[in-house]
Amino acid sequence: NAGVTQTPKFQVLKTGQSMTLQCAQDMNHNSMYWYRQDPGMGLRLIYYSASEGTTDKGEVPNGYNVSRLNKREFSLRLESAAPSQTSVYFCASSPGSRTEAFFGQGTRLTVV
Amino acid sequence: AQSVTQLDSQVPVFEEAPVELRCNYSSSVSVYLFWYVQYPNQGLQLLLKYLSGSTLVKGINGFEAEFNKSQTSFHLRKPSVHISDTAEYFCAVSEWDYKLSFGAGTTVTVRA
Repeated sequence: NAGVTQTPKFQVLKTGQSMTLQCAQDMNHNSMYWYRQDPGMGLRLIYYSASEGTTDKGEVPNGYNVSRLNKREFSLRLESAAPSQTSVYFCASSPGSRTEAFFGQGTRLTVV
Repeated sequence: AQSVTQLDSQVPVFEEAPVELRCNYSSSVSVYLFWYVQYPNQGLQLLLKYLSGSTLVKGINGFEAEFNKSQTSFHLRKPSVHISDTAEYFCAVSEWDYKLSFGAGTTVTVRA
């Protein structure tokens, strides 16, 4: 049982490049999330998808877009990467509201 | 909107000593509370959760937490720590919606 799988695990981008972070879950969860983790700031919610077909902004959505491709997959796109987007990105899923989230292993992104 | 404050950013502790990590939250409605642990270069793993019922919650690896509604706190404790408990710990809160908000984290370093 893989749980939540993120690809890639590491990525280096040049300023202005674009890329998509992929996330897939095999737990049949309804809700999916993208967080970024920065030292001393905990995890901040970028976007979430309460259910298939819906997406909503979190605390720090600027510079990002998401797609809930189907129930399993939720991708995060950086259209024009900036050094401020250097971070560790975590995807998570949960059965629904008011429940715990299950996390992937993270993607370490560096923008130079 | 909910917010979470972890009162200690770093907690050094000797092996076999007790540890307490403090977490306060602000919310005007009923909340659901969680503690997660993150070992180096890994994702987040759920330690324990409070959804309803008994205010004393037991989790994995000998951790427990107590929900105090009047003080809006959810402190995490372990009576005797091991070297393997060295990690970063995050308190999180969820309200009626699908968003899970995290504190800034507490780094626990266990020394022999």
